[in-house]
Amino acid sequence: GENVEQHPSTLSVQEGDSAVIKCTYSDSASNYFPWYKQELGKGPQLIIDIRSNVGEKKDQRIAVTLNKTAKHFSLHITETQPEDSAVYFCAASIGKSTFGDGTTLTVKP
Amino acid sequence: DTGVSQNPRHKITKRGQNVTFRCDPISEHNRLYWYRQTLGQGPEFLTYFQNEAQLEKSRLLSDRFSAERPKGSFSTLEIQRTEQGDSAMYLCASSLLGAPYEQYFGPGTRLTVT
Repeated sequence: GENVEQHPSTLSVQEGDSAVIKCTYSDSASNYFPWYKQELGKGPQLIIDIRSNVGEKKDQRIAVTLNKTAKHFSLHITETQPEDSAVYFCAASIGKSTFGDGTTLTVKP
Repeated sequence: DTGVSQNPRHKITKRGQNVTFRCDPISEHNRLYWYRQTLGQGPEFLTYFQNEAQLEKSRLLSDRFSAERPKGSFSTLEIQRTEQGDSAMYLCASSLLGAPYEQYFGPGTRLTVT
């Protein structure tokens, strides 16, 4: 089955800096790669996604890149703000999703 | 419709008891998924429905677990003879048939087995 690895497990940045989270996947059949933000006591919230026929997607301060050949994808957050502090999960999907173990992002004011 | 809802939000039960959780998906969503999440881990897939049909079950879903979606709307997840290892957050998500990958999650039900 699919296996998703996510790095780093924790990330601390100063407000205004950029944050990058990287994921690798194993199943070349996966064709959809969402990113979720999870705050304490809440369910994961879909923040951005990318499909296998696209190499990059941007939405305001958030961007995702996908390298299908290397089977890795990344989340980039620019101009980080304290409210970006949360746990971020990547996933690889062919219908059902396989998640990474999460990255705890802390943005220091 | 404000999104996926789950009830109860928290459940504490003694080992050996049965528990049932409910998920109400976004109203027009045909697909409904159940995941389990333990502390420090990402959600793990358990099962999913397309309308009332259960299309896939994970090996994680032992015989003590059963899920239903009788009318293709809400779903229930029952755990029989609970064990301490069942303690986790149980998450429900839903998606449109035409966009099956865009899953929207509910707030989860946190189960504690004592």
